[in-house]
Amino acid sequence: ILNVEQSPQSLHVQEGDSTNFTCSFPSSNFYALHWYRWETAKSPEALFVMTLNGDEKKKGRISATLNTKEGYSYLYIKGSQPEDSATYLCAPWGGYQKVTFGIGTKLQVIP
Amino acid sequence: SAVISQKPSRDICQRGTSLTIQCQVDSQVTMMFWYRQQPGQSLTLIATANQGSEATYESGFVIDKFPISRPNLTFSTLTVSNMSPEDSSIYLCSVEFGVGRTGANVLTFGAGSRLTVL
Repeated sequence: ILNVEQSPQSLHVQEGDSTNFTCSFPSSNFYALHWYRWETAKSPEALFVMTLNGDEKKKGRISATLNTKEGYSYLYIKGSQPEDSATYLCAPWGGYQKVTFGIGTKLQVIP
Repeated sequence: SAVISQKPSRDICQRGTSLTIQCQVDSQVTMMFWYRQQPGQSLTLIATANQGSEATYESGFVIDKFPISRPNLTFSTLTVSNMSPEDSSIYLCSVEFGVGRTGANVLTFGAGSRLTVL
């Protein structure tokens, strides 16, 4: 089981503000990193799968970067909207181990 | 991607009883995964269910407490046995959908079953 840390654990931002949060994981034996968005009463929804050092992925106003050498990934949300309110989970995969989920960053966007 | 139907969506149970959670996938998949999220904790893998063989349990989880069935490639159940308040959690099933090595594909989840044990 990997030691995964996400920060902050929660944050509130005003509608229109941009924000970012961090996922840290052991850099050794890295294989892939997933980001998921989990809205209350819904299924976790996949955002990105990232595998290469320096990867950058984008989906609408949400983007993510990956640094496998230092063991972190950033998720950015540009111009936050109330519908972005959710818990964002990162999940690194280490080699042949099962995925380990971080505790998540709970984002609330205030209209 | 797959579509997963999971039920019940929520339940309130008495201590000492058992509850079975069902997941139906709209396509055939080799492995189905069962997760639990206790309050304030991260999503944790309970076991991997393969069709035609016994489920593989993660450290800290045992078959007597969480028996799993996998009768075919589209369906699985997880039973939470002899429940205590510590079993109050959200339980989710998921599948990995896509080609390539495990980990390269995203997980698709059911909507979750929120259990409260009194």
